Amino acid sequence: RKEVEQDPGPFNVPEGATVAFNCTYSNSASQSFFWYRQDCRKEPKLLMSVYSSGNEDGRFTAQLNRASQYISLLIRDSKLSDSATYLCVVNLAGGTSYGKLTFGQGTILTVHP
Amino acid sequence: DADVTQTPRNRITKTGKRIMLECSQTKGHDRMYWYRQDPGLGLRLIYYSFDVKDINKGEISDGYSVSRQAQAKFSLSLESAIPNQTALYFCATMGRGSYEQYFGPGTRLTVT
Repeated sequence: RKEVEQDPGPFNVPEGATVAFNCTYSNSASQSFFWYRQDCRKEPKLLMSVYSSGNEDGRFTAQLNRASQYISLLIRDSKLSDSATYLCVVNLAGGTSYGKLTFGQGTILTVHP
Repeated sequence: DADVTQTPRNRITKTGKRIMLECSQTKGHDRMYWYRQDPGLGLRLIYYSFDVKDINKGEISDGYSVSRQAQAKFSLSLESAIPNQTALYFCATMGRGSYEQYFGPGTRLTVT
């Protein structure tokens, strides 16, 4: 079983749609969670961290369910510029695991007019 | 100027050749990483370094070696390139107390 699993998609949605991505992780000791965004042929960039209480940044909402080992990203009012690959990222707690991020394979989103 | 740079950006080489990919950063971060990205497999960690004297293998280190020449420089070498090392390679950095990694623009390597 992969440490971090995502539905690879692709998701094709019209502008203005709401879309949700899911991610599961296998190691219950995981402590930190993130969503990165990667545009085509570009480097990944941090989109947002994911906190236990859930967090929102504009049109983006991230949620964490530790009991189910599940992370989600919700995008409301999709824009053409949201088209990208979204990477679910997990870090184990402390010690030699600190700073070692494990990436999911990514979910491809295409927003069309 | 970019904070994390990689050279070369593209490289085509033949099986058996030795290749070095270089990474430099101006962010002052102590942690540096090398990943490869393959379609459908996501980013996989090759090597990482928490400071100049601390180098660690990642999940797919076989066939690769690294050198941390200075805090700002981290090089990845393929001693004898093989076709299944064809991939997009990313260098990344991270500062203390942070979980945000900053990536270079990537090196597209093709081994024929």
